[in-house]
Parts: sequence; structure tokens; C-alpha cells
Amino acid sequence: AQSVTQLGSHVSVSEGALVLLRCNYSSSVPPYLFWYVQYPNQGLQLLLKYTSAATLVKGINGFEAEFKKSETSFHLTKPSAHMSDAAEYFCAVSEGDYGQNFVFGPGTRLSVLP
Amino acid sequence: EAGVTQFPSHSVIEKGQTVTLRCDPISGHDNLYWYRRVMGKEIKFLLHFVKESKQDESGMPNNRFLAERTGGTYSTLKVQPAELEDSGVYFCASSPLDGGAKNIQYFGAGTRLSVL
Repeated sequence: AQSVTQLGSHVSVSEGALVLLRCNYSSSVPPYLFWYVQYPNQGLQLLLKYTSAATLVKGINGFEAEFKKSETSFHLTKPSAHMSDAAEYFCAVSEGDYGQNFVFGPGTRLSVLP
Repeated sequence: EAGVTQFPSHSVIEKGQTVTLRCDPISGHDNLYWYRRVMGKEIKFLLHFVKESKQDESGMPNNRFLAERTGGTYSTLKVQPAELEDSGVYFCASSPLDGGAKNIQYFGAGTRLSVL
């Protein structure tokens, strides 16, 4: 069975500092991996996805994530945090490419301090 | 292009009452999913429609929950009778059946259900 863990339910960084949000997964088959972001009072927005192409994936708003099979990780990074990055971030895994449901991690709330 | 729309955005009901949530997927998306997030826990899968057929309903918690997708367009999720533990945020997502975007699920803003 698939599962996703996100280390740290709450992460705080200073504006301009590196953002690192951790995601580890387990999957019995090569996974499809996603990061979604939820801003206050909004729905889940796709940040980026890994679907077996390049292991370093670039997403929107300057975020990127690297798929590391040996570590079963898909950590999300951004070189310089901005106040507008404050939100909740979810890592998700899906097996297969035909409409499989997602398994989500518990989410990490990112705070950006001035 | 309109995104996934969910209605209502917030519903407050008393235990024992019935509530119906609605989801309008992105036009042309045959896959439709329902998820739920209870009290800050993980977002959990409830069920998956392909057009009007239930492809997977393994996540439905019990028979108080009934999902329909008549005509393969919008979907409803009815909770009858509602219990306190049903409180949470219900998300709907959709994706196309074919093409490069079929791996991506597009989510609505969710319906926050409060059962008192």
C-alpha cells in the first residue's frame, strides 16, 4: 500500500531563506508524485509533478523538487522564501497513470517570518 | 476555462440532518474524485467516478454516504444522517481520461462541513 510522510507539520523560515519541505513515500510500483499548495480559503493548487521523466522537477512560483528513488524522497525546495509562500503544502503519491486516486501526506504548514 | 466548483463552501448542520454537497468538474473531465480532510488529518480518498460509473468507492466510510454522478457531469455527495465525526472539509477533484494531463487532478476549494 502507498503511504506518504511529511517531516514537520509546521515549518518556519525567514523571508529570503531557503525553503525545504520533506516528503518520503512508499510505493510498490514506480510512483507518480505531486506537491500541492493550499493558500488560506482556497483549494489545492498543483505546484509540480513527477511522472517518471526528469528527476529534478521545476514548478510554479520558483519551487522545485527532486525525485530520489534510493531515498524514496521527493523533497520540495525554494531558494528564497517570500511572504506569499505562507500556506499549507501537501505531498501526494499515485500509482499508475490511469486515474488512480492520490494518497496524501499530512501536510506541512509553512510560515514565513519578516 | 472554469475550474472545479464546489457548493456550498460551508455548511453547518445538526447531528441527524441530511446534507448534500455538489461538485462541478472541469468541462470534459471524465474522472471525478471525492476526498475528505477531517480535523487537520490527512486528505483521504473517498471515491472515484469515471463518467457516471463508480470506479472505486473503497474510501467511503459507511452507508450514510451516497455519491452520485448522473449523466457523467456534476456529482453530489449526500450524508444522511450526519454524525459529529463527519465534520471536515470535502474536496472534489477532476482529471481528463486521456492526454498528458490525465495524471493531474484539479481540485476545488472544498466544502467545509460542520456537524453540531
